[in-house]
Amino acid sequence: AQRVTQPEKLLSVFKGAPVELKCNYSYSGSPELFWYVQYSRQRLQLLLRHISRESIKGFTADLNKGETSFHLKKPFAQEEDSAMYYCALNGGSQGNLIFGKGTKLSVKP
Amino acid sequence: NAGVTQTPKFRILKIGQSMTLQCTQDMNHNYMYWYRQDPGMGLKLIYYSVGAGITDKGEVPNGYNVSRSTTEDFPLRLELAAPSQTSVYFCASSRQGVGSYEQYFGPGTRLTVT
Repeated sequence: AQRVTQPEKLLSVFKGAPVELKCNYSYSGSPELFWYVQYSRQRLQLLLRHISRESIKGFTADLNKGETSFHLKKPFAQEEDSAMYYCALNGGSQGNLIFGKGTKLSVKP
Repeated sequence: NAGVTQTPKFRILKIGQSMTLQCTQDMNHNYMYWYRQDPGMGLKLIYYSVGAGITDKGEVPNGYNVSRSTTEDFPLRLELAAPSQTSVYFCASSRQGVGSYEQYFGPGTRLTVT
């Protein structure tokens, strides 16, 4: 079964501390994985996708097929990073996304 | 370029009432989706469409209907509302399905059924 697991509901860190938001997936085949973010009072938006291998707003995520993980990392958290983060998996040819339950990141001053 | 727009933003329905959630996108995307998000949960797919005139069920389609007469519009119809349909509804669109294409989301509709 296709599934995305985000084990942490809430992650609270201090400004300047490293951040790692965990994501594990279950998928038979080559997965296409994404991180979406929802800032307060804003709509859900794409943060990054594994295929791009890019760093967005200082965040990176590496696909580890052996561990079936796609953790999101940032070396130095900023207060403006506070938001809900969703890991998502492309569910197939119809392109729908399978979402994890989300992790709320709170960065304290 | 407004992206994906949804109306209404909020709605309270009584049990048994019906309503249509509107979704419009101006990006000429073929793929459109309706998701619902219950408290503390991830988004779940209700229905999707790969182009005008083509729709199909997602993971949680019961109690809903959709139509796609134009590329731009993808309304979601709730018939005989039930408390279990209390949720936040998101419409999204994408240029393609297969591949790492970004989905663009609307702001959501918060629906309460009492």
